[in-house]
Amino acid sequence: GAVVSQHPSWVICKSGTSVKIECRSLDFQATTMFWYRQFPKQSLMLMATSNEGSKATYEQGVEKDKFLINHASLTLSTLTVTSAHPEDSSFYICSAWGRGENEQYFGPGTRLTVT
Amino acid sequence: GENVEQHPSTLSVQEGDSAVIKCTYSDSASNYFPWYKQELGKRPQLIIDIRSNVGEKKDQRIAVTLNKTAKHFSLHITETQPEDSAVYFCAAANTGNQFYFGTGTSLTVIP
Repeated sequence: GAVVSQHPSWVICKSGTSVKIECRSLDFQATTMFWYRQFPKQSLMLMATSNEGSKATYEQGVEKDKFLINHASLTLSTLTVTSAHPEDSSFYICSAWGRGENEQYFGPGTRLTVT
Repeated sequence: GENVEQHPSTLSVQEGDSAVIKCTYSDSASNYFPWYKQELGKRPQLIIDIRSNVGEKKDQRIAVTLNKTAKHFSLHITETQPEDSAVYFCAAANTGNQFYFGTGTSLTVIP
């Protein structure tokens, strides 16, 4: 099946700093990428949908100025958590949907801890 | 937007018994309903899916049923095994491929 990678797999940062998470589709072109966050023992919450070359569509309640999403190519999307705070600590997972694909493929996730 | 509800939140069954997890959705435009299994700290894995033009689909011990009129769909696992223990999520997606997940069911299969 198709492979989606994320980097880094975990990151610890200080409050007030920014963190960038990369999501790559390794063997297919991802026309659409999704970003989710997941709190412990909770479900995946869709944050935003990004299509290559266009602005991301954010879900209600997600601050677009805080969670910057860039989908510059068909194989790469990035999520930047700006001015991170402890409440932003979570598991962030991306997924990708490509041309001709019948399902979305999830990345392994990035665990962010803000101290 | 879409609202997906999932029940039960926890489920314990004896090995060999069946497990059933149910989901409801609100948006009649949703037309794709996948089920995912997620083990602790790992990514969700697709285990089965169903599209709105089909009422039932089966893959070995796993089956999914869909009732479009009632807007609900269910996951059935038969002959459960300890390795089936995980958190299961249902989801509903529309033509825009936006996926909305249920709240998850923690399944424990007792040997």
